Amino acid sequence: AQSVTQPDIHITVSEGASLELRCNYSYGATPYLFWYVQSPGQGLQLLLKYFSGDTLVQGIKGFEAEFKRSQSSFNLRKPSVHWSDAAEYFCALTGGGNKLTFGTGTQLKVEL
Amino acid sequence: DAGITQSPRHKVTETGTPVTLRCHQTENHRYMYWYRQDPGHGLRLIHYSYGVKDTDKGEVSDGYSVSRSKTEDFLLTLESATSSQTSVYFCATQWDPSYEQYFGPGTRLTVT
Repeated sequence: AQSVTQPDIHITVSEGASLELRCNYSYGATPYLFWYVQSPGQGLQLLLKYFSGDTLVQGIKGFEAEFKRSQSSFNLRKPSVHWSDAAEYFCALTGGGNKLTFGTGTQLKVEL
Repeated sequence: DAGITQSPRHKVTETGTPVTLRCHQTENHRYMYWYRQDPGHGLRLIHYSYGVKDTDKGEVSDGYSVSRSKTEDFLLTLESATSSQTSVYFCATQWDPSYEQYFGPGTRLTVT
């Protein structure tokens, strides 16, 4: 069975500070990994994805994530957070098929 | 974005009544999905479709049925709504399992 764990339910950072959101996964092989962002009342928007190759992937809005096989992690980072980044962030994986398994999400609050 | 619309966007219904939610896409994506989003659970797959008239169950399919008679439309039916089905429902589409999923804006369903 595959699973995704986002250990932080809520995170608060100051505008301009760096951000790291944690994601750990359980899967028997190398998964396809995704980060999605959801603004209030909106659908999910893809930030970035990892399929294979370079373990550091760049996404939209200045986000990046690093795949670490040894730690079964795919943490999301941003060097300087903007107030507009306040949203809920979801990590997800699939084994190359079509069934996405989501984490429970991390709610990001940005203090001005 | 994959040109996904969901209707209705909001619905309040009574326990025991049938409800149908519609997902419409304009991108000719082969795969379509229905998820429900609940606090503390992230998104969970209800049903999915891998082609016209080809559907399969997800992890929380009890009490739900789906139909896909055209590539562009994927319907989710609650035969007899219960309060436990109060949730936000998201439709997603996918060109191919090796690609990302795109999400619609969601339908907020309240069962009283």
